[in-house]
Amino acid sequence: DSGVTQTPKHLITATGQRVTLRCSPRSGDLSVYWYQQSLDQGLQFLIQYYNGEERAKGNILERFSAQQFPDLHSELNLSSLELGDSALYFCASSVAGGGVTYNEQFFGPGTRLTVL
Amino acid sequence: GENVEQHPSTLSVQEGDSAVIKCTYSDSASNYFPWYKQELGKRPQLIIDIRSNVGEKKDQRIAVTLNKTAKHFSLHITETQPEDSAVYFCAASIVGGSQGNLIFGKGTKLSVKP
Repeated sequence: DSGVTQTPKHLITATGQRVTLRCSPRSGDLSVYWYQQSLDQGLQFLIQYYNGEERAKGNILERFSAQQFPDLHSELNLSSLELGDSALYFCASSVAGGGVTYNEQFFGPGTRLTVL
Repeated sequence: GENVEQHPSTLSVQEGDSAVIKCTYSDSASNYFPWYKQELGKRPQLIIDIRSNVGEKKDQRIAVTLNKTAKHFSLHITETQPEDSAVYFCAASIVGGSQGNLIFGKGTKLSVKP
């Protein structure tokens, strides 16, 4: 158990719908990262939040958005869902901040999204 | 941006043999290189990492080497066991600021035959 929690574990929805994925980081970690894992694309970085602020953006679609709340949990919102959005969505957390010389990231168990 | 290439995509070895997985990265500013093991349907788990000020790091049967000049790093697993069968991902990152997202290779599916 990495200490990172994600809900729900599975999500089945229809095209055009909107869903929210939730992540709670390890105690003491300030950064949350979202990654998408699909069969043909591997693990793709989507977005990072650090202490409530967006810090880095990867290959995140405009239909997707995220936020990090004062208690440091994060939510990833996926809207206008398409079949190709079906994937495993992982969040990871780390200490990451100014001055650190390491940045181990610990992954949650993931949310499997199926869009029908 | 950073790009990480990983080879081979699949690797099959006999139990007890060694396995080597190689990765190259493109951004010379990258300074942190973790390796993750992912079993089917489970989360990626950090198994070993190396920072750019170190050339080699060992942890029991696992070792990682880094060649900064050539911008490549490798994972070595000795005396492989069936439970080592999984997908292994290398990654590169820049740490020291407030970012630090990982750029992953495409993964290597390792099969260890008993």
